[in-house]
Amino acid sequence: SQTIHQWPATLVQPVGSPLSLECTVEGTSNPNLYWYRQAAGRGLQLLFYSVGIGQISSEVPQNLSASRPQDRQFILSSKKLLLSDSGFYLCAYSKADIINEKLFFGSGTQLSVL
Amino acid sequence: EDQVTQSPEALRLQEGESSSLNCSYTVSGLRGLFWYRQDPGKGPEFLFTLYSAGEEKEKERLKATLTKKESFLHITAPKPEDSATYLCAVPRGSQGNLIFGKGTKLSVKP
Repeated sequence: SQTIHQWPATLVQPVGSPLSLECTVEGTSNPNLYWYRQAAGRGLQLLFYSVGIGQISSEVPQNLSASRPQDRQFILSSKKLLLSDSGFYLCAYSKADIINEKLFFGSGTQLSVL
Repeated sequence: EDQVTQSPEALRLQEGESSSLNCSYTVSGLRGLFWYRQDPGKGPEFLFTLYSAGEEKEKERLKATLTKKESFLHITAPKPEDSATYLCAVPRGSQGNLIFGKGTKLSVKP
């Protein structure tokens, strides 16, 4: 069976500090991978998606970056956090060989930038 | 521009009081509509996928229906454990990206 792991669950960081959130998927090969952010009252916003190792597409310009160093590993980073980076970050995957397949989400990371 | 709008934003029901949540969408060429349930502090959990107008799917007290412009999530005789935020989403592009509505927060009181 497929599973998705995301950590840490909560994170409190000062403004200007770096960020690294990690997500790994088990049980499926070559998944499509996604980072979403959920801010209060704004719904889920797609930040990045990846269809393969080293292939990253960004949906919105921002202070964040993403990398996919291995097939089933997706990392969200920032060199210097801003207050506006606070939110609930969700990693997700879908099976690449099925068109319009549903997304499976991780448990999320609640990031507070103070 | 592709959009997904959910209503109401919040819904408070008494246990056993049936109701419906609405999801309206504007996309060019619908390639599926997805319903998710999200509990506080957790990631969304998949419920249903609907692909064509007239399609219906059921799971316990939930039934999702789809027309050409909107989808409904019907909740029959809800229980307190059905309390959650319900999200709907549609695909955009060819990479499986989903556009989500802001959700309906459902509270069911005993």
